[in-house]
Amino acid sequence: DAGVIQSPRHEVTEMGQEVTLRCKPISGHDYLFWYRQTMMRGLELLIYFNNNVPIDDSGMPEDRFSAKMPNASFSTLKIQPSEPRDSAVYFCASNPQGVGTQYFGPGTRLLVL
Amino acid sequence: AQTVTQSQPEMSVQEAETVTLSCTYDTSENNYYLFWYKQPPSRQMILVIRQEAYKQQNATENRFSVNFQKAAKSFSLKISDSQLGDTAMYFCAFINYFGNEKLTFGTGTRLTIIP
Repeated sequence: DAGVIQSPRHEVTEMGQEVTLRCKPISGHDYLFWYRQTMMRGLELLIYFNNNVPIDDSGMPEDRFSAKMPNASFSTLKIQPSEPRDSAVYFCASNPQGVGTQYFGPGTRLLVL
Repeated sequence: AQTVTQSQPEMSVQEAETVTLSCTYDTSENNYYLFWYKQPPSRQMILVIRQEAYKQQNATENRFSVNFQKAAKSFSLKISDSQLGDTAMYFCAFINYFGNEKLTFGTGTRLTIIP
């Protein structure tokens, strides 16, 4: 069984550009989580979905960040416009029940110049 | 709010030795899960071990075991016969069984296995 899939694995962009990160959760998992990891702040939960519906987006840092889950097998995290302080590793994770083990994707390393 | 504390930012140990990573947490809840995740240089977050709070028996996974002390709110990870591939950041994490589905992570311990 494939794990959580994220793309791209690396992204380098210039300040002001739009960035779209993609995630495919494990089939059958109803919950999807987006995290950001930086040296300064560690792992932060940005937003999570249950059955494609956003449940808690209180971790989304600013209006420049948006996330969607149009169907059970796909989610996007968009940053528009991007800023250098958005440089981080972004993880997607999924699990079948909400509570319990979360399975992480390989992450997207974003660098905004 | 729940908090998870890892008081050892860095540790190192010789290959084949045993090492214990510490984790404490704070919660008013009685039912919850605790996890140890490993993050090697590849950045992948890998589940090492999981403990349900209602289980008195400590979880084990091959060379990895935990010492779960519920009253003390302590959840340490023991790695036996350490291997070079164990070099990684290790994160302790907590989630309530009831309520929201948010994982709370500690700040991590960077473990280096010395050949």
